[in-house]
Amino acid sequence: KNQVEQSPQSLIILEGKNCTLQCNYTVSPFSNLRWYKQDTGRGPVSLTIMTFSENTKSNGRYTATLDADTKQSSLHITASQLSDSASYICVVSAWAGSYQLTFGKGTKLSVIP
Amino acid sequence: DSGVTQTPKHLITATGQRVTLRCSPRSGDLSVYWYQQSLDQGLQFLIQYYNGEERAKGNILERFSAQQFPDLHSELNLSSLELGDSALYFCASSPRTGGGTDTQYFGPGTRLTVL
Repeated sequence: KNQVEQSPQSLIILEGKNCTLQCNYTVSPFSNLRWYKQDTGRGPVSLTIMTFSENTKSNGRYTATLDADTKQSSLHITASQLSDSASYICVVSAWAGSYQLTFGKGTKLSVIP
Repeated sequence: DSGVTQTPKHLITATGQRVTLRCSPRSGDLSVYWYQQSLDQGLQFLIQYYNGEERAKGNILERFSAQQFPDLHSELNLSSLELGDSALYFCASSPRTGGGTDTQYFGPGTRLTVL
């Protein structure tokens, strides 16, 4: 069964600090991995998309890494801002005749002044 | 603003009733996806349509159905509603079939409350 596990479930950090969120998956056959940011009550917004051959992808202060061998990904947030407070969702796509998406439950990040 | 519109924003109804949620994708996008997000739960993929045809199916209940019309807007029909169907329902669209680096753009969601 395809699964995506994210850790930690929640995280509180001080404004200006860095943090790293983790995503482990057992999805086969792997197609791509996406990170989304979801503000409370709003729709998710895509941050990065990585295919099998990509190890790192950045989007401003967000940097995602992918290790396809260990089936792990991380999202690193640099110099956090209050507006980074949100849930971060890892989504892994598999190809099985059609694309099947498996969502993690997300990490809830709170950035405090 | 993602360019994806959903109506209505809020919907309150009673158990046993039927409702229809509507989604208009971004201009030019051919795929539409429906998701359910219950309180404190992750997003659950329900179904995808591509250019009018069902493309992929997730955890969609038999009481739920969807379709995509020739103008590419989509509707999600929920019938025989139960308390547990209370959730945020998101629609997303993407330019192509959804694979590779095809980005999904999410709408603002419809909050359904079943009393």
